[in-house]
Amino acid sequence: NAGVMQNPRHLVRRRGQEARLRCSPMKGHSHVYWYRQLPEEGLKFMVYLQKENIIDESGMPKERFSAEFPKEGPSILRIQQVVRGDSAAYFCASSALSGANVLTFGAGSRLTVL
Amino acid sequence: GQQLNQSPQSMFIQEGEDVSMNCTSSSIFNTWLWYKQDPGEGPVLLIALYKAGELTSNGRLTAQFGITRKDSFLNISASIPSDVGIYFCAGQLVNRDDKIIFGKGTRLHILP
Repeated sequence: NAGVMQNPRHLVRRRGQEARLRCSPMKGHSHVYWYRQLPEEGLKFMVYLQKENIIDESGMPKERFSAEFPKEGPSILRIQQVVRGDSAAYFCASSALSGANVLTFGAGSRLTVL
Repeated sequence: GQQLNQSPQSMFIQEGEDVSMNCTSSSIFNTWLWYKQDPGEGPVLLIALYKAGELTSNGRLTAQFGITRKDSFLNISASIPSDVGIYFCAGQLVNRDDKIIFGKGTRLHILP
């Protein structure tokens, strides 16, 4: 009865390195959302994807950030050339339907940039 | 962009007290959601509201979808230690394909 699985749970990177965060949605879910949470802040929408398709990336920074959800395998949020300001918790959520209004969240991946 | 204003930011209460928090926006929503986040974990859905005026309960929790569709509140009755955490309101705008946006959270602390 696996829910939304995210890995790694914790990731430490030095400035300039790349970070890859993975998300496997709940079984039967084909829609994935990525949110970023800074300390003492709420969840900020980044991107919404269906299989092989980016639906809404209005919350993604224009540079260094990219996301994909291939036909096979997990969704991946990729951050290139990380900077200290990228340190945050990144949460993935999934839903079964397009435009669904109930999301199931994973436990998050906490990125620390040294 | 669209914003949800959630208040209060934090609350310090005694065990057994009732709690009330709310969210407001200048935009109209077709869905309001309330989530709870425990330390080190992802948010977990508490209550989902789909119609203006709807009042829904989940155990000691009660939430309402405001008549204007621009606000919602969450009440917790007779608080217990495990209620400690961060409570987020979230909403989906009128276009159901729109993303779900979150408030900044209400941090609930229970004094010993």
